[in-house]
Amino acid sequence: QLQLQESGPGLVKASETLSLTCTISGDSISSTYYFWDWIRQPPGKGLEWIASIYYSGTTYYSPSLKSRVTISVDTSNNHFSLKVNSVAAADTAVYYCARRGRIAAAGTIDYWGQGTLVTVSS
Amino acid sequence: QSALTQPPSVSGSPGQSVTISCTGTSSDVGSYNRVSWYQQPPGTAPKLMIYEVSNRPSGVPDRFSGSKSGNTASVTISGLQAEDEGDYYCSSYTTSSTVVFGGGTKLTVL
Repeated sequence: QLQLQESGPGLVKASETLSLTCTISGDSISSTYYFWDWIRQPPGKGLEWIASIYYSGTTYYSPSLKSRVTISVDTSNNHFSLKVNSVAAADTAVYYCARRGRIAAAGTIDYWGQGTLVTVSS
Repeated sequence: QSALTQPPSVSGSPGQSVTISCTGTSSDVGSYNRVSWYQQPPGTAPKLMIYEVSNRPSGVPDRFSGSKSGNTASVTISGLQAEDEGDYYCSSYTTSSTVVFGGGTKLTVL
């Protein structure tokens, strides 16, 4: 059974860098069938797709966040990470990591982590 | 990329049917049959309900069905049950190899 677990600080100061890691169990990050994504949800608001990475290092970013976001992969430890630079209050959200189909059911996010709340403080 | 457009809320009585629409553009919904629907009860992670416009994952009741016409996709929930309450989100793959979500629809079972 695939499990995704987000980890990282729950509180980040404004203007600093938010860093999160998603640890995968029950599947290999090096699978050729999947992308690995980050999605966020501000309190009381909708879902926003942030970025995606393939195990080879190929990345895709939301145009609205591309200038501040970096996604990376660590195949030896079976995890992937997210960094958001120069955070502000608007970056306060529950951050989810997820698995997305690359070939079959391409574009489909079929597994989600439980999510982790990151609050940006002033 | 702009968020896909969903109605903020829909409601129905038990046993009735409701339909939630999801309108995008020719760069996302209109380009591929890669539209998904997610259900999100309060305080939990989203759950996949429909993928590739009209396919249901194992375990999702056949009361849930999806369709698409042009730039608009829809999910219909028939035989509405109290457990169907929650927020529903559509998503689409885009021609830029990214993903875009809808703004979400709150379903209330009266």
